Amino acid sequence: EPEVTQTPSHQVTQMGQEVILRCVPISNHLYFYWYRQILGQKVEFLVSFYNNEISEKSEIFDDQFSVERPDGSNFTLKIRSTKLEDSAMYFCASTETYYEQYFGPGTRLTVT
Amino acid sequence: KNQVEQSPQSLIILEGKNCTLQCNYTVSPFSNLRWYKQDTGRGPVSLTIMTFSENTKSNGRYTATLDADTKQSSLHITASQLSDSASYICVVTMNYGGSQGNLIFGKGTKLSVKP
Repeated sequence: EPEVTQTPSHQVTQMGQEVILRCVPISNHLYFYWYRQILGQKVEFLVSFYNNEISEKSEIFDDQFSVERPDGSNFTLKIRSTKLEDSAMYFCASTETYYEQYFGPGTRLTVT
Repeated sequence: KNQVEQSPQSLIILEGKNCTLQCNYTVSPFSNLRWYKQDTGRGPVSLTIMTFSENTKSNGRYTATLDADTKQSSLHITASQLSDSASYICVVTMNYGGSQGNLIFGKGTKLSVKP
C-alpha cells in the first residue's frame, strides 16, 4: 500500500541553524501539507501546497519557514534559523482530493 | 475562536470492554469531522470522516457519530483490543469555499487498554 515517507526520522540541530525536512508524498496525490506537534500538545496546521504554490498557511508559518517541491516527488519544509521552540514532531501529509489526508511517520526535530 | 475539545483526556479500560470518546467543536464554517488514531511517535491514521449530513459512520469496531446541531461527535470502540492503545484525535476541517480549508485538531484522548 502506498504511503507517505519522511526523512530524517530524527534531526538534531543547533539554534540558528537551517534545517530541511523532507517528505515523499504518495505519487498520484496533488495536495500536500505540513503539520507540527510540540511534545504533549495537539497537532497544528502549518501550510498547504497545491499546484506548486502555497494554498494556505497558519500564523505559525512565518518568514522563517518555506516549502518547496523541487522535483516531481519530494516536498520539503525549510526552517531558516531554528529556535528552541521549533522543537517538535513535523508531519507531512498528502491527498489526492482534499477530502482524505494521509500522514507520514513524522520527523522529530530537536533544537539545542 | 475555532476550537476542538475532547474528553476525557485519558482513559484506561480492560481488554474486551467498550468505550466512548467525546468531541465538541466550535469551528465555522464546518466542512467535515474526522477521527484519527495516533500511535506514540507515529503520524495520525484516519478512522472515519463525516460530513455535515452524516450522523454515523463505522469502520470495523469503530463507530463515530456526529450531531451538527449541537456540534458534538463521539467515537465508540467496541470489544477493545490491546492494539487499540493510542491517542484518538478529533479533527474538524474548515471550509473556505473554493479553497482547501485547514484542519483544526483536538488534543486527543489517550486510551490505554489493559489485559
